[in-house]
Amino acid sequence: GQQLNQSPQSMFIQEGEDVSMNCTSSSIFNTWLWYKQDPGEGPVLLIALYKAGELTSNGRLTAQFGITRKDSFLNISASIPSDVGIYFCAGQTNFGNEKLTFGTGTRLTIIP
Amino acid sequence: DTGVSQDPRHKITKRGQNVTFRCDPISEHNRLYWYRQTLGQGPEFLTYFQNEAQLEKSRLLSDRFSAERPKGSFSTLEIQRTEQGDSAMYLCASTIQGPDTQYFGPGTRLTVL
Repeated sequence: GQQLNQSPQSMFIQEGEDVSMNCTSSSIFNTWLWYKQDPGEGPVLLIALYKAGELTSNGRLTAQFGITRKDSFLNISASIPSDVGIYFCAGQTNFGNEKLTFGTGTRLTIIP
Repeated sequence: DTGVSQDPRHKITKRGQNVTFRCDPISEHNRLYWYRQTLGQGPEFLTYFQNEAQLEKSRLLSDRFSAERPKGSFSTLEIQRTEQGDSAMYLCASTIQGPDTQYFGPGTRLTVL
């Protein structure tokens, strides 16, 4: 099945550093979502974006819906140990009620 | 009700056996989705229900797979004659009709030996 292109594939950072990751698609989405997944668990919603150009924050997390509607990015500021995990972007073609198309994931590791 | 629940959390089976998973969505969420996630990949859509009606099925859902939501509440996903390629995490998500987002359960990890 289709998967969105997510980069980087993995990141190794020190605690306190800022993190940036992005997601691109060949097709347009009306909604972009960012999820975090811990090992053996389901994805947990972090941020939802509904409008092209929208910039939304959730604590130390900031995400933007690209103007072209084909991309999105997620920033994490001042990383802490609990930020470790896999981050997935996901797109929806209809508002709120269609299947999600996920990215390939970015694995975040914090080096002690 | 604090979230989507799935049962079992882990299932180990031998090739050729049938398995069934259950998903209980968030109360009053009338849309329910099944996804499959293989190691190192993002979840991939399998099928979804609005109430008891199955509205869409992915090409990933072969004839050996069947999903039901008989009363519009919980759902089951059955895999017949399992193959080693069926080994994956099976995720369920639910949402309420209207502008909203999908909330995922913890998943069922299937291992086919």
